[in-house]
Amino acid sequence: AQSVAQPEDQVNVAEGNPLTVKCTYSVSGNPYLFWYVQYPNRGLQFLLKYITGDNLVKGSYGFEAEFNKSQTSFHLKKPSALVSDSALYFCAVRDMIPTGRRALTFGSGTRLQVQP
Amino acid sequence: GAGVSQTPSNKVTEKGKYVELRCDPISGHTALYWYRQSLGQGPEFLIYFQGTGAADDSGLPNDRFFAVRPEGSVSTLKIQRTERGDSAVYLCASSLLSPGQGYNEQFFGPGTRLTVL
Repeated sequence: AQSVAQPEDQVNVAEGNPLTVKCTYSVSGNPYLFWYVQYPNRGLQFLLKYITGDNLVKGSYGFEAEFNKSQTSFHLKKPSALVSDSALYFCAVRDMIPTGRRALTFGSGTRLQVQP
Repeated sequence: GAGVSQTPSNKVTEKGKYVELRCDPISGHTALYWYRQSLGQGPEFLIYFQGTGAADDSGLPNDRFFAVRPEGSVSTLKIQRTERGDSAVYLCASSLLSPGQGYNEQFFGPGTRLTVL
């Protein structure tokens, strides 16, 4: 079975400061990992993914995420937060094993609030 | 269209009624997924189509839920005898189908908000 945990319901950060949104996962094999963002009354938008290779993945809007296999984590980061980054962020995982479910398993989401 | 579209955007129905929710995926995307998102939670998997066939329907909560994709493009999620607990946002996503592993990102539609009174 695959699962994702986002331990923080909400993260508050001042504009211009670095931000981190935490995610840990559990899979049987190796993971495919994704971050999505959801703005009010909008669908989920893809930010970035980890498949293999470099542990630091760069994505849209200046976001990046660091894959840490030993800690089974995939934290989302941005060096300098913008007020417009305020939204709901979801981490998702898929197990790489051939018999694994192709659909994604999502975390419960973390609301990011960036204060001006 | 450029993205995944879903209709209707909102659906209000009465308990016990039948509803159909439609998803139009990105052209050329073979894989199609349905998820359900309840308030304050992440999306939960319902069913996955590879082409016309339902390759994985293990997320459907019970036999009141059914989905079809007869021509491998548009999909319809059907809910019979709706219950108040079915109220949620129903999301559709599509992706390219890479050989073997399926690691392509999924593109989501805006969702259909279903309210069962």
